[in-house]
Amino acid sequence: ETVLTQSPATLSLSPGERATLSCRASESVSSYLAWYQQKPGQPPRLLIYDASNRATGIPARFSGSGSGTDFTLIISSLEPEDFAVYYCQQRSRWPLTFGGGTKVEIK
Amino acid sequence: EVQLVESGGGLVQPGGSLRLSCVASGFSFSSYEMNWVRQAPGKGLEWVSYISGSGTSKYYTDSMKGRFTISRDNAKNSMFLQMNSLRAEDTAVYYCARIKFIITGSTGAFDIWGLGTMVTVSS
Repeated sequence: ETVLTQSPATLSLSPGERATLSCRASESVSSYLAWYQQKPGQPPRLLIYDASNRATGIPARFSGSGSGTDFTLIISSLEPEDFAVYYCQQRSRWPLTFGGGTKVEIK
Repeated sequence: EVQLVESGGGLVQPGGSLRLSCVASGFSFSSYEMNWVRQAPGKGLEWVSYISGSGTSKYYTDSMKGRFTISRDNAKNSMFLQMNSLRAEDTAVYYCARIKFIITGSTGAFDIWGLGTMVTVSS
């Protein structure tokens, strides 16, 4: 299966700072990568699909890039509501897989 | 309003069975690919199973093949997960999730999620 490795596991930042999250695939997934945000007690929310396309209603401060095996999610300026866990997910091949997550916490 | 509502979770003994349901509303259910995704307490997300809009294509993660069966009833806007031979490691919140469809086709990304139903496997 395609293993997705997210780094760092935890990112400690202050509101207003820039967050850079990484997702590396064990084999090429082309651009078939999505990003999700999850807050405690809630289901995940789709942020980005096909590596760089923002989902409906997602603010412009969220951006995704990358292709092949290396992908990045950038939050340009953290808002208080952005502190959460972020997951990447590939749909290039079965089984679909998720990364282990990056927790963005308040410093 | 576009919505997914799961039900059927609960406490079950190891080796037992449960049938989860997911009822959709607010969209043309039969046009969408659907999935089950689970999350063990305090852990990350794990994809469980996929079913196409017509129900003819199905996929499972390896550890669940032969134990779990996904199905749907488009007339009732419903999807199901029959879980047999349950193990302690199957304890998780089970979410149903819709795959986002755009004009160029399926994105393989989950754009609508239910709130989940908790399955606890314990003696």
